[in-house]
Amino acid sequence: GAVVSQHPSRVICKSGTSVKIECRSLDFQATTMFWYRQFPKQSLMLMATSNEGSKATYEQGVEKDKFLINHASLTLSTLTVTSAHPEDSSFYICSARGGTGTVNTDTQYFGPGTRLTVL
Amino acid sequence: DAKTTQPPSMDCAEGRAANLPCNHSTISGNEYVYWYRQIHSQGPQYIIHGLKNNETNEMASLIITEDRKSSTLILPHATLRDTAVYYCIVKWWGGSEKLVFGKGTKLTVNP
Repeated sequence: GAVVSQHPSRVICKSGTSVKIECRSLDFQATTMFWYRQFPKQSLMLMATSNEGSKATYEQGVEKDKFLINHASLTLSTLTVTSAHPEDSSFYICSARGGTGTVNTDTQYFGPGTRLTVL
Repeated sequence: DAKTTQPPSMDCAEGRAANLPCNHSTISGNEYVYWYRQIHSQGPQYIIHGLKNNETNEMASLIITEDRKSSTLILPHATLRDTAVYYCIVKWWGGSEKLVFGKGTKLTVNP
């Protein structure tokens, strides 16, 4: 139980284009989802916290107009990187806070990550 | 900033127990200790968490000292697939739900 998926697993795009990443909790409902970013040889950095049906809360230094987050249902959150540039190339990882259907209701379960490369 | 201190790296022989230490001397009474691991190029995997009692599940055991200022994650019979970066994180139950990742411990299991 407590499986989180991400799609796509890998994406390459041209500079200036937008990329959407999906995060789904497959076997549980998640009222809260989180988006992280990880640069090579660094640890995960939280970008934003997303609650179903409300606006996301962004961490300091994260541009909310560039990283659009939508959490329209209890099983789906999306991250859109708008007008992507090479410096946005990174490993993007989502997590979902355990809720109905999970053993540990306050534990975050992570997706497999999405590798974004902007040319 | 992360509120935990872990050694940057450790080695372990396959089949032996891996004991990963973590210091969290400023932990408060309502904060839990969580352990995650991240295998190269994958998302973190939840391992175990605890408040003050020792905990065990199918993956590992968590030993928390009586003063709660440190803990040890034990993988009883390490395999090559346990090679990963292990993160020790303290977090409130509910409330502030952020997971703040430090640099973790890179565990290498050798054949």
